[in-house]
This record gives sequence, structure tokens and C-alpha cells, in this order.
Amino acid sequence: DVKVTQSSRYLVKRTGEKVFLECVQDMDHENMFWYRQDPGLGLRLIYFSYDVKMKEKGDIPEGYSVSREKKERFSLILESASTNQTSMYLCASSLVAGGYNEQFFGPGTRLTVL
Amino acid sequence: GENVEQHPSTLSVQEGDSAVIKCTYSDSASNYFPWYKQELGKRPQLIIDIRSNVGEKKDQRIAVTLNKTAKHFSLHITETQPEDSAVYFCAAKDFQGGATNKLIFGTGTLLAVQP
Repeated sequence: DVKVTQSSRYLVKRTGEKVFLECVQDMDHENMFWYRQDPGLGLRLIYFSYDVKMKEKGDIPEGYSVSREKKERFSLILESASTNQTSMYLCASSLVAGGYNEQFFGPGTRLTVL
Repeated sequence: GENVEQHPSTLSVQEGDSAVIKCTYSDSASNYFPWYKQELGKRPQLIIDIRSNVGEKKDQRIAVTLNKTAKHFSLHITETQPEDSAVYFCAAKDFQGGATNKLIFGTGTLLAVQP
């Protein structure tokens, strides 16, 4: 079974803090994704990576950055957390081959910025 | 880029009835349409998908239909059961994403199956 894990289930931070969200997958997937999930807005893509050290902006990258130094790990960074970044953050991974592969999601991190 | 609209946002049915969720997409080049189910407090999981070379696909009580001309696709659940209660997301592969499997998701449908 594919296993995608995220470093925290719940996180509370203060406005202006630098926040790191970690995601690890154990199936040697090339693609990794970061989404945020808000009620009524669905899953919105923040950033994705198709290889080590490679990254591309998704639909809502403002205020976020990412790092992928190793194939199994994809980090989301909030440089200076703001209250409008309070949300559920979901990481996912998938194979590249063929481009029609299932995305496997992590359990999510619920971030609250006070 | 691709845009996916999903309706309805909430759907309540009686156990045993059918449920239909509809999505439209904007990019005629999109060729892959998966559906994900997210139970309360759980992660989204793929339940069925369809590629643009077929018009319908079934898996037991769930089916997906695709109308490429109209650029819409639908999820059909028959004989609904309480365990079908969840949020369902449709998605379309962003053709500009190439081989990266980038998906654009709809806004979700909360399905409640009343016993």
C-alpha cells in the first residue's frame, strides 16, 4: 500500500511565523502535490513537483514556497503566516508514467494561524 | 487553463435511491476525469476514473459518463447506502500539465444518504 504521511495533523501558529509542513511518501513516486482545502472551494493546488529539486506553481502559490531535496519528501513553507492561510493542507503523490495515475493523499494538516 | 464546475454542492437522498453529481470542464483537450471520495475526517481516495476515449465506465454501484461534445461528465451512484455519505470531488487532468498528472478539482458535493 502507498503510504503518504504528513508531519502534523493539527498545527497552531502565530501571524508572521515561518511554518514548515512536511510530506513523505514511501512508493518512489515522482510527482508530489500540495493542496489546500477550504469549504466550498474544493481542493486548490498550491505547488507541485515532478522530480527532485523541480517545482511548479499551482493555482494559488502566493505566500507559499516549497522544497524537494529528496524524492520521498516534499515540504510546504509559509514564509510569514497570515490568518487567511488558516486551512486544511493536503499532500499527495503519484507516478508519472502515462500521466493518468491515481493521486494518493496524506491525512492532512489542519493549520490555524492566530 | 482548465476550469471545473461541480453541481450540486449538497445532495440528500434516501437510502436505496440513486444519486447523480455533474461536472463541466472548459478545456476540450482534457482527456482524463477521475472522481475522489472523501469521508468525514479522512483523506480523499480515488473511486473511479474515465478517459476521453470511452463514454461510460461502471464499477458495481458507481458509474461515470462522459460527454466530450458538451464537455461534461457525471457520477452516478445506484442503490445508495449510508456508507456512501461523503464529499465527492470531480477532477480533470490539466492538459498543459503534460505527464505530471496535474488535476483541476471541482468544488465538491456533500452527499448525505438518509437511512
